[in-house]
Amino acid sequence: GQNIDQPTEMTATEGAIVQINCTYQTSGFNGLFWYQQHAGEAPTFLSYNVLDGLEEKGRFSSFLSRSKGYSYLLLKELQMKDSASYLCAVRNTGGFKTIFGAGTRLFVKA
Amino acid sequence: DADVTQTPRNRITKTGKRIMLECSQTKGHDRMYWYRQDPGLGLQLIYYSFDVKDINKGEISDGYSVSRQAQAKFSLSLESAIPNQTALYFCATSDRDSTSTDTQYFGPGTRLTVL
Repeated sequence: GQNIDQPTEMTATEGAIVQINCTYQTSGFNGLFWYQQHAGEAPTFLSYNVLDGLEEKGRFSSFLSRSKGYSYLLLKELQMKDSASYLCAVRNTGGFKTIFGAGTRLFVKA
Repeated sequence: DADVTQTPRNRITKTGKRIMLECSQTKGHDRMYWYRQDPGLGLQLIYYSFDVKDINKGEISDGYSVSRQAQAKFSLSLESAIPNQTALYFCATSDRDSTSTDTQYFGPGTRLTVL
């Protein structure tokens, strides 16, 4: 079967660093995505990892360990506008479908 | 103009009514998807289509049907709406190109309420 786990909620302070973890189980792995979704809006693409290691893109970085079924999204220099849900999603090889986790709601406080 | 559009953006209907949600895209992507989102449950795949002649059921297709009228259009129908179909519905597209990551691009969503 397939399963994606991520924390339901996190709170962090403006200017700080926060790490959002995601663990997954899938029958055939073919890439992991992170999306950002503000309340009531559409998810938007943040990052993609298919090989082990860290991908950095500005204030956001994403890490993948395929052997551990683990990824994290690192947000640096947090801003109030980073308050949103962060969705971890795994693409599998069978049918090339993407399965989404329930998302982590991040609250950034002043 | 937005690349992926959905109509209507909001709809309130009654139990038993037939409802159609429409999705159009100008990205030229072959793949299109319909998801529903409920609080705490994330995005659940209803149907997906990899080209005009290819329609596949997702995780929660019961009570829904779809039509891929053209590469750019993918409609979702609720034949007889029921209250537990109240949710936020998203259409998405992705690129079939073998060199792409298959990143999905989402429409703005349709908020459907079934009374």
